[in-house]
Amino acid sequence: DAKTTQPPSMDCAEGRAANLPCNHSTISGNEYVYWYRQIHSQGPQYIIHGLKNNETNEMASLIITEDRKSSTLILPHATLRDTAVYYCPASGTYKYIFGTGTRLKVLA
Amino acid sequence: DGGITQSPKYLFRKEGQNVTLSCEQNLNHDAMYWYRQDPGQGLRLIYYSQIVNDFQKGDIAEGYSVSREKKESFPLTVTSAQKNPTAFYLCASRRQGENTQYFGPGTRLTVL
Repeated sequence: DAKTTQPPSMDCAEGRAANLPCNHSTISGNEYVYWYRQIHSQGPQYIIHGLKNNETNEMASLIITEDRKSSTLILPHATLRDTAVYYCPASGTYKYIFGTGTRLKVLA
Repeated sequence: DGGITQSPKYLFRKEGQNVTLSCEQNLNHDAMYWYRQDPGQGLRLIYYSQIVNDFQKGDIAEGYSVSREKKESFPLTVTSAQKNPTAFYLCASRRQGENTQYFGPGTRLTVL
């Protein structure tokens, strides 16, 4: 089964960039890389997705390695409200497989 | 406002009782999903439906049932056969032809 791995936790100082890695070595050629975040006791919030090229939107940037086996989500100027669990689920055919994500704590 | 609604936010039931969780979307999405989340864990897929009157089992379907009689509604019934029903339940939907899923706010079910 497709699977992704992420570090269990990270800290980041407020105002600094948060770089969250994801390993998706089993990804197939036509599967997108997705990122979501979940603030405590809420539903996951879509952040960004990409296939091969780097992507940027108002929330974050996504850097995908050339071999597509890993990616990095970048929050350029982290705020306290970015404290959450960040997921990069493996995306099968119209299904996601979630791991336990990375718990990001933004420190004042 | 367009979106996904789940009600209620908190639900309490006695052991042995069936309970139905509501999920409604007005996004005109074709596919809908139910996930379960336990403390400190990721989401696990219970059931999904890609079209009205059709649904498939996910990874942990035992003890659950669903129906998809209308495009906008995908209720989940937690039956008495589900051994550990206390969890956070999340509904999601997706537009046909796209992979991005959008999630509702969740229902926290506690079985006493």
